[in-house]
Amino acid sequence: EVQLVESGGGLIQPGGSLRLSCAASGFTVSSNYMSWVRQAPGKGLEWVSVLYSGGNTYYADSVKGRFSISRDNSKNTLYLQMNSLRAEDTAVYYCAKAHYGWDAFNIWGQGTMVTVSS
Amino acid sequence: QLVLTQSPSASASLGASVKLTCTLSSGHSSFTIAWHQQQPEKGPRYLMKINSDGSHSKGDGIPDRFSGSSSGAERSLTISSLQSEDEADYYCQTWGTGFVVFGGGTKLTVL
Repeated sequence: EVQLVESGGGLIQPGGSLRLSCAASGFTVSSNYMSWVRQAPGKGLEWVSVLYSGGNTYYADSVKGRFSISRDNSKNTLYLQMNSLRAEDTAVYYCAKAHYGWDAFNIWGQGTMVTVSS
Repeated sequence: QLVLTQSPSASASLGASVKLTCTLSSGHSSFTIAWHQQQPEKGPRYLMKINSDGSHSKGDGIPDRFSGSSSGAERSLTISSLQSEDEADYYCQTWGTGFVVFGGGTKLTVL
């Protein structure tokens, strides 16, 4: 079964750091285009970052310079390193797999909650 | 700038049909979009992808009640024979090199 399972969320103080993980099963992370998407409480979906199968990375302006996307091929896992966290980063973070190449997201995880508060 | 516009809310009666629309901003009418459903307290679920020519491909297990269409800059999702479990938020998505854009979402209420 194709599945994504996020972990690593929690309560963190402003200015702190957190690393989210997204464990994949049923497919190979390194062969696919993988993204992080977030959703602030009561709000819509906001794209955060993408890691292309070839290794290129891209970020939303709101997180550029603070967040970093990566993968561990041996663990078939996607990561999001979040530094200099702000209150406005509070959200549920989802990882998502694009369908064929850079395409619609056809597989979503269940999400992990990140709360940035003092 | 590429923007996807959705109506904030829609409603229809149980058993009826409803059409949700996602409009691409000026100059971007050729873009393919995807529709995702998000039921309360759940993660999003991929429904389908709609091309500019109206052709569409659905995700695994998506019922025939869900269909897609295209007209100019509008990409529409039609849900027929509405069921209670169709009450959810619906988001459209598009993408290009190094970016993804989501619409603001439409909250569908099944009366």
